Amino acid sequence: AQSVTQPDIHITVSEGASLELRCNYSYGATPYLFWYVQSPGQGLQLLLKYFSGDTLVQGIKGFEAEFKRSQSSFNLRKPSVHWSDAAEYFCAVGGETGGFKTIFGAGTRLFVKA
Amino acid sequence: GAGVSQSPSNKVTEKGKDVELRCDPISGHTALYWYRQSLGQGLEFLIYFQGNSAPDKSGLPSDRFSAERTGGSVSTLTIQRTQQEDSAVYLCASSLATGDYGYTFGSGTRLTVV
Repeated sequence: AQSVTQPDIHITVSEGASLELRCNYSYGATPYLFWYVQSPGQGLQLLLKYFSGDTLVQGIKGFEAEFKRSQSSFNLRKPSVHWSDAAEYFCAVGGETGGFKTIFGAGTRLFVKA
Repeated sequence: GAGVSQSPSNKVTEKGKDVELRCDPISGHTALYWYRQSLGQGLEFLIYFQGNSAPDKSGLPSDRFSAERTGGSVSTLTIQRTQQEDSAVYLCASSLATGDYGYTFGSGTRLTVV
């Protein structure tokens, strides 16, 4: 069965520092992988997605993620965090094996300190 | 419409009452999903509609929950005899096809059962 693990419930980084949010997945075939962001009081917004090809994918708001099949990981990164990046981040996995429904991780809440 | 529309945005109901939550997906999106987000939790998959295919109901937590999608567009999630543990934000999402494009989420309906 497909599953997603986000090991960090919350992370605090200083504004301007780099960020890496961890995501590990379990999936029986080639996964589709996603990162979503949920700002306070807002709906979820798709940051980026990976289906195939280049394992480093670029998303909106300066985010990128790298797919590492050998580690079953899809970590999200940003070189320099802005205060407006404070939000909850969800990693998700889906694909044909699961009937294309997407399973979400429990989320990582990012706090940004000045 | 331009986005996924959900109504009502907030609903307070008494325990034991039935509620209906509505989702109007983006025009042309054939896939529609319902998720539930409880306080401090990730997204729990409920049900998935794809075109005229039979829906994937594997995530519905009990037979008090049901959903339909009329004419391949608007969907209604019904919860009968609501319980306090049903309190959550119910999120609807749609996608162009089978989820491989990533979802567009609505703002959700916050359900409070008192």
